[in-house]
Formats: sequence, structure tokens, C-alpha cells
Amino acid sequence: DAMVIQNPRYQVTQFGKPVTLSCSQTLNHNVMYWYQQKSSQAPKLLFHYYDKDFNNEADTPDNFQSRRPNTSFCFLDIRSPGLGDAAMYLCATSRGDNSYNEQFFGPGTRLTVL
Amino acid sequence: GQNIDQPTEMTATEGAIVQINCTYQTSGFNGLFWYQQHAGEAPTFLSYNVLDGLEEKGRFSSFLSRSKGYSYLLLKELQMKDSASYLCAVLDSNYQLIWGAGTKLIIKP
Repeated sequence: DAMVIQNPRYQVTQFGKPVTLSCSQTLNHNVMYWYQQKSSQAPKLLFHYYDKDFNNEADTPDNFQSRRPNTSFCFLDIRSPGLGDAAMYLCATSRGDNSYNEQFFGPGTRLTVL
Repeated sequence: GQNIDQPTEMTATEGAIVQINCTYQTSGFNGLFWYQQHAGEAPTFLSYNVLDGLEEKGRFSSFLSRSKGYSYLLLKELQMKDSASYLCAVLDSNYQLIWGAGTKLIIKP
């Protein structure tokens, strides 16, 4: 089945220790998104890639970086995690043809910062 | 600014009907989505409306009025498994999704 996969599902890191979250997709979608979602809040868009074109949201902290080495994979790097970065991180994809932009979500990675 | 408003929490009884409202003010409109999100899980797609009117899909229906900036999600014959958050999201003029904070639906026996 075509899908969006995120690894790991649960990640624990220490304050200030870099961490990388990964996402892969078998949908062959052009667009990949990274969201941060805290409890009882809306998903907050951090970045998105349209193919290799990187789009950073204006209020995304510099502590967050992203890489998309190919169509299938996208990574979220948190350079120095703080306690406030503990959240669910959601990866999503969409076709990106602008006619209908349903986003397909991976299961998410729950990040805990100790 | 762009804004999506929906109630924070609603409670309903198993077997009943519930309507979750969403109002929006966005820069442009290219459609409105409803997603379901169970606690600790990713959002899953429920419906998409881009034209005015009612879209029915089994127990779930979604309504849109573009002139009023208003949508609702109607859930019939509620089941315990329908306990979840329901997120309203609007595709703006840049084809970016603007998300509401979600409505937590609690189903009681």
C-alpha cells in the first residue's frame, strides 16, 4: 500500500542534543510537509518542499532545519532541542498540482526532551 | 490575518447526531477539509468541500457556505470510536492549508 512512513514513532532526546526525524513516502507526491503539533493545538507548518524547492515558514525557528535528498525522503533536524520543542512532529505529502490538495499524513513522531 | 474558528470541545451521546461548526477568514479560498484525529495519532482525511452545499459520505456529511465563510461536519449514529478531535482546514490562495485548533468530541454511552 502506498503510504507515508515516519521513524521513529517515539524519540527521546536530551536538552541540547541534536536529533533527526525521518519521513519517507511511496505515493510519489511532489510536496512534502513538516508540521509541529502540541497538545490540543492545530498543526503548525514548519517547512514544505515542492520537489526540491524549499519553503520555510517565517516563524520557524532557526533551530529547525530540513533536508529532502530525493522525492521519497525528507528529514527534520533539530539542532539544539529545548523543552519547548517536545511535541508531535507530523510529516505529510500532497500531489501539489493545486487542483486538489489533500494532505496524507504519516503516523507522527512524538518527541520527548529530557 | 487568517483565522479558523471551531468550538474547543463538544459532548454527545452514543447513537445521536452532532454538528461541529467551523468559520473561517482566509486570504483566498481553494477548498475546505475536515480531518479526524484520535489522541496521539495523525490526522486522517474525512471530507473536502469547494462548492456550496452538502457532501454526504456514509454517517458523515460536510456542508459549505462560501459567502458566509462557514462549514459544518455532521456525524450521525454516533459510535464510541467517533471520540476524537475534528480539525477544520482551509486551502488559501497560495494553496497552503490553514488549520483550526480542532474540536474535541466526547461520546458518552
